[in-house]
Amino acid sequence: KNEVEQSPQNLTAQEGEFITINCSYSVGISALHWLQQHPGGGIVSLFMLSSGKKKHGRLIATINIQEKHSSLHITASHPRDSAVYICAVFGNEKLTFGTGTRLTIIP
Amino acid sequence: DAGVTQSPTHLIKTRGQQVTLRCSPKSGHDTVSWYQQALGQGPQFIFQYYEEEERQRGNFPDRFSGHQFPNYSSELNVNALLLGDSALYLCASSPFDRDYYGYTFGSGTRLTVV
Repeated sequence: KNEVEQSPQNLTAQEGEFITINCSYSVGISALHWLQQHPGGGIVSLFMLSSGKKKHGRLIATINIQEKHSSLHITASHPRDSAVYICAVFGNEKLTFGTGTRLTIIP
Repeated sequence: DAGVTQSPTHLIKTRGQQVTLRCSPKSGHDTVSWYQQALGQGPQFIFQYYEEEERQRGNFPDRFSGHQFPNYSSELNVNALLLGDSALYLCASSPFDRDYYGYTFGSGTRLTVV
């Protein structure tokens, strides 16, 4: 079993829909990252969380430390949101990554 | 402010050859971590360098080695390349601060072994 599990693996939605991507982890962590990876490979850090909730524009990230679970939400989704979203946890002084969720938003 | 710079962006090598990938960290960052991302998978931790020494290592064979220079830049070397080494190699830098966990990622080097 992977230390970091994401669901779903693939998600296709219509433009404007509310999107939720989930991340569960089994190890002790100091922080959790949500990352966005576009075709070609470049990774952009969206959020770093250690508790509670963060919001940036149409993106919202939440974390429940007790349940070892985090969610990334996208409101009013747009085709430019199409990318792979990766959850990564920081523990033992290194990052461990989930396998990613491939999101496709259809116009 | 330049972010993390990786070179080259793409590379094709023949099985059995050796390859060197390079990474320049973000200004102000002194710790460099390397990751291998196979197609359709999440990145896997290779190793981390700080103060020119390997601090941590993931589950990769000794064919994978690295180096960090006094200016904090780093190299990843892979010897005796296998077809399975084909992947995107990502470099991430961070400040060495136990209270700060922010990483900046490079765009990666895509290695193809034929």
